[in-house]
Amino acid sequence: EAAVTQSPRSKVAVTGGKVTLSCHQTNNHDYMYWYRQDTGHGLRLIHYSYVADSTEKGDIPDGYKASRPSQENFSLILELASLSQTAVYFCASSADRANTEVFFGKGTRLTVV
Amino acid sequence: GDSVTQTEGQVTVSESKSLIINCTYSATSIGYPNLFWYVRYPGEGLQLLLKVITAGQKGSSRGFEATYNKEATSFHLQKASVQESDSAVYYCALSDNSAGNKLTFGIGTRVLVRP
Repeated sequence: EAAVTQSPRSKVAVTGGKVTLSCHQTNNHDYMYWYRQDTGHGLRLIHYSYVADSTEKGDIPDGYKASRPSQENFSLILELASLSQTAVYFCASSADRANTEVFFGKGTRLTVV
Repeated sequence: GDSVTQTEGQVTVSESKSLIINCTYSATSIGYPNLFWYVRYPGEGLQLLLKVITAGQKGSSRGFEATYNKEATSFHLQKASVQESDSAVYYCALSDNSAGNKLTFGIGTRVLVRP
């Protein structure tokens, strides 16, 4: 069974602080993604990566950085957390074939206070 | 840009009754998107329920069905007889045909099945 593991599962951060969300996959997938979900919105793509040491901007990258140090690991970094970044964040992975299934982690609930 | 609109909020249905969740899409950057339904059970990540990549075709899984209607730009999800275990959040989504599998999601519809 394909597995995507996110840590932490829940976090409270202070406005202006740095937050790092981590993601690890054991699927041997080339693609990894970070999405966020807010009340009133579907999941929106923040950053993605198709190879280690390279990341790409998604639809809403402002205020976020991403890091892909290895095929298995993909981090999302909030250098200066803001109230508007309170959301649930999902990491996902997929193979590099078109139309293939995307596998999601269980999500990280981030609250910025 | 591309967008997906689906039934908003929560749908409550009694066990053994039928369920329909409406989904329409707008794919301005691609002519024929690939269409998906994902489901999120309590405490779990999203998982693929079904997908259809060819217009006019129907996908099915776990008793759910959805037909890719290109003319109506719709991909409604239906089940004839729901069970309590179908209580979850359902997301309609689309992607283009690139290898990136980047998904555009609808807002999600929470389904509560009452025994």
